[in-house]
Amino acid sequence: DIQMTQSPSSLSASIGDRVTITCRASQGIRNHLSWYQLKPGKGPKRLIHAASTLQSGVSSRFSGSASGTEFTLTISSLQPEDFATYYCLQHNSFPRTFGQGTKVEIK
Amino acid sequence: QVQLQESGPGLVKPSQTLSLTCTVSGGSISRGGYYWSWIRQHPGMGLEWIGYIYYSGTTYYNPSLKSRLTISIDTSKNQFSLNLTSVTAADTAVYYCARDHPFDNSGFYYWGQGALVTVSS
Repeated sequence: DIQMTQSPSSLSASIGDRVTITCRASQGIRNHLSWYQLKPGKGPKRLIHAASTLQSGVSSRFSGSASGTEFTLTISSLQPEDFATYYCLQHNSFPRTFGQGTKVEIK
Repeated sequence: QVQLQESGPGLVKPSQTLSLTCTVSGGSISRGGYYWSWIRQHPGMGLEWIGYIYYSGTTYYNPSLKSRLTISIDTSKNQFSLNLTSVTAADTAVYYCARDHPFDNSGFYYWGQGALVTVSS
C-alpha cells in the first residue's frame, strides 16, 4: 500500500494567515492526488485534483502544488469558513489511501 | 447534479452484520467510468477507504476488510450496498459513499453526507 504522510496534524492560525499543509507519498503517484475539506455533519468537499487543478467553484485562495512525491495545499489568506479538517488522497493505485488529516483551528 | 445518500441502521450489535445502502440520484449508476465506493471515518480519526464496485459488478476491497466485506449493486434501483460481517466496536464510524473517477485522475467528487454507525450491545 502507498502511505501518505500528512503534516502537520493540526495547526492554529488567524484570519488572513497563509497556511501550508504537506503530504508525502511513500512512492511515486504521478499527479494522482486530490485534497478534501471536511466539516462536521457534511461529506468531504474536493478542493484540488490532479495535484494542482482547482475544483470549479472553489475559492482561488486554495492552491495545490507537487514536487516529486511531496504535495502541498496552500490557503493564501485564511477565512472563517476555512476552519475545518483537510485530507490528501492518493488515487494512483488501490487501495486508495488518505493522509492522516490536518485540523485547522482558530488562533 | 449527482447526489448520493447513505441509509441504514445507526446501531448494530457486536458480531452482527452492518448493512448500508447508497442511493444515487441525478445520474445512472449503470454508466461506466466510475467506481462506486465506500469510505469511513472512525471517531476522531482519519478517512479509510473501504472498497468499490463497478456497474458490471467488479469489486475491489481494502485488504484489511476483505474477509468480512461485500459490496453489491442494484442497477434497477440505482443503489449500491455495503455489508460488513462480524462487527466490533472498532467498526464504529461515519460511513460515506462516494463516486471515484479513476479514468480522469480526479479522485472523488460526489460524496454522501455520511451515516454514523455505532457498534454496541
